[in-house]
Amino acid sequence: TQLLEQSPQFLSIQEGENLTVYCNSSSVFSSLQWYRQEPGEGPVLLVTVVTGGEVKKLKRLTFQFGDARKDSSLHITAAQTGDTGLYLCAGFSGSARQLTFGSGTQLTVLP
Amino acid sequence: NAGVTQTPKFQVLKTGQSMTLQCAQDMNHNSMYWYRQDPGMGLRLIYYSASEGTTDKGEVPNGYNVSRLNKREFSLRLESAAPSQTSVYFCASSKGGLAAFSSYTFGSGTRLTVV
Repeated sequence: TQLLEQSPQFLSIQEGENLTVYCNSSSVFSSLQWYRQEPGEGPVLLVTVVTGGEVKKLKRLTFQFGDARKDSSLHITAAQTGDTGLYLCAGFSGSARQLTFGSGTQLTVLP
Repeated sequence: NAGVTQTPKFQVLKTGQSMTLQCAQDMNHNSMYWYRQDPGMGLRLIYYSASEGTTDKGEVPNGYNVSRLNKREFSLRLESAAPSQTSVYFCASSKGGLAAFSSYTFGSGTRLTVV
């Protein structure tokens, strides 16, 4: 089983602050996805990164895929209360033909 | 609205009882999946169906069976429920199948408690 470790597990910040969430593995992934999950709902896809070193921006969210395709980061600029949720990274391994999820980072943005 | 529909939303079972979780998607996706989510462990794949007529085991298949009834529907059955199967179950589908850039769409989950 290929493991994805996310850090931190919990993060509580004030509105307006910046933050970075990390997703690390010892395995190489064909692609890396980030999802956001709200209580009582399923995860919703935010972005897919495929190329090593790739950077994608989604408004105030910046996603980066590591050069070796083993790690990724999510940076949020000027966090808002609406950013509160569980952020999950998920890696796709061509050999395993499965999407493997990290354990998630629970983000709370306080007003 | 288009998406993945799961039923029921909540269920309480006694140890040893059986039940079937239903999942249907209306996006004409080829692949469907069943995951379970436990605190601190993320989502773990139980079974998946790459296309109509095929099913394969995921990371944690023991105690479960699945049926891909048609392209739209993929059900998960617990034959003899155990407390260790207390979890939130998510069904998902993807258009691109088992490809690196597949976009997964998830249902809203079934919260199952086995007492």
